[in-house]
Amino acid sequence: AQSVTQLDSHVSVSEGTPVLLRCNYSSSYSPSLFWYVQHPNKGLQLLLKYTSAATLVKGINGFEAEFKKSETSFHLTKPSAHMSDAAEYFCVVSPGNTGGFKTIFGAGTRLFVKA
Amino acid sequence: EAGVAQSPRYKIIEKRQSVAFWCNPISGHATLYWYQQILGQGPKLLIQFQNNGVVDDSQLPKDRFSAERLKGVDSTLKIQPAKLEDSAVYLCASSLEVRGYQAQYFGPGTRLLVL
Repeated sequence: AQSVTQLDSHVSVSEGTPVLLRCNYSSSYSPSLFWYVQHPNKGLQLLLKYTSAATLVKGINGFEAEFKKSETSFHLTKPSAHMSDAAEYFCVVSPGNTGGFKTIFGAGTRLFVKA
Repeated sequence: EAGVAQSPRYKIIEKRQSVAFWCNPISGHATLYWYQQILGQGPKLLIQFQNNGVVDDSQLPKDRFSAERLKGVDSTLKIQPAKLEDSAVYLCASSLEVRGYQAQYFGPGTRLLVL
């Protein structure tokens, strides 16, 4: 069965320090993996996606994620947090080229950024 | 390029009433998704269309929820009769197709409150 686990429900960092949001997945198929961000009262915005072309994926606003098949992880990082990064972040697993299952969202990680 | 459009943005109804939501996906996107996002949780996929056919509706409460995409473009999601636990944000998303590492693009959502 397919699943996605976001290991932290809340993460708090100081502005200018690194961000790490952790995501583990389980899939019998080759999945596509995504990170989305949701600011308060706003829609979901795509940050980045893994498409099997490269294991290190760069996204918008300085975020990147590394696909590690051996660890079944897809952690999201950013070298230096900005106040505007405060939001809810969702890790998502979807079918790749083989299909076979439906899209699953993680429970979300709320990022707090302190001044 | 226009994004995913949804209406209404907000709806308040009493339990046992019916309600309908409308979604217009990004032009050319064959796949359309409806999600339910309960406060504090990640979105849950309700139904997924490929053109006007249903790909997955395994998590759609079919005794009260229905959805259609008659011409393979716009879609409506209906709840009849509504229950208190249906209070949530209903998100519509679209992607080019089901497979092939396609990212989903989300509309702003419809916030439903059932009293």
